[in-house]
Amino acid sequence: ETGVTQSPTHLIKTRGQQVTLRCSSQSGHNTVSWYQQALGQGPQFIFQYYREEENGRGNFPPRFSGLQFPNYSSELNVNALELDDSALYLCASSLAGVLTDTQYFGPGTRLTVL
Amino acid sequence: AQSVAQPEDQVKVAEGNPLTVKCTYSVSGNPYLFWYVQYPNRGLQFLLKYITGDNLVKGSYGFEAEFNKSQTSFHLKKPSALVSDSALYFCAVRPRNNNNDMRFGAGTRLTVKP
Repeated sequence: ETGVTQSPTHLIKTRGQQVTLRCSSQSGHNTVSWYQQALGQGPQFIFQYYREEENGRGNFPPRFSGLQFPNYSSELNVNALELDDSALYLCASSLAGVLTDTQYFGPGTRLTVL
Repeated sequence: AQSVAQPEDQVKVAEGNPLTVKCTYSVSGNPYLFWYVQYPNRGLQFLLKYITGDNLVKGSYGFEAEFNKSQTSFHLKKPSALVSDSALYFCAVRPRNNNNDMRFGAGTRLTVKP
C-alpha cells in the first residue's frame, strides 16, 4: 500500500448536486494531484496542489475546484454535477522539488451521478 | 501536444510465457516514462520508471521495461507471466520540465491463463 488514503470509497449523487472528495497524502509528500478515470479509460489530470495553491490544471471546467491544507491533505470539490462526472477519482501524492518524483496513488473514490 | 498510445486493448498469454505490453509516446524532448498497474476496484500501483541511463529498467514484481528513443517506445516486459499478473496496465509520460503534466495511455488489460 502507498499510504495515500481517500474518502469516501463510494458516493452516489444526483445531477446538479455538489460533492467533496478527500485525500491524505503519503508521509513526507507535499504535493497532491487529482485525476478522473472514466470507465474504460486512463486517468485524466484534473489539477495539482503544492503549498496550498493550484500548480497546474488539466482540461476541466471551473466547477472542479480544490484545496490543499497545511498538513498537505487535499479536497476535490465538484459543483453542479453532471452525469458525465461519474468516474473513479484518484489522488496521487509526490514530493515536489524533485522532478524525477514518482506519484503514488490512493485507492480512489467511485462517484456515481444519477 | 504530448500523447501516449497503448496499441493493444488486451493481451493474453499463458502462465510461464513471456509477456509484453506495448507503449509508444509523442512528447517533445526526453520525457520521464512510467508504468502503473491497476487491480479491480483499486488505485494505480507504481511499477517502474525511466529517468535516464540504461535503456532497460527493472521494477516491481519482476517487471522490466525497455526504452527505445528512436522508436519512442517504452514496452513493459516480464520473462515469465503469473496468473496474478492479470490486471490493467497503464503507461504514462511526463515532460522533464513540468511535473504536473502526466499523461496516461488508455490502458491494456493483461490476462494470464493458467
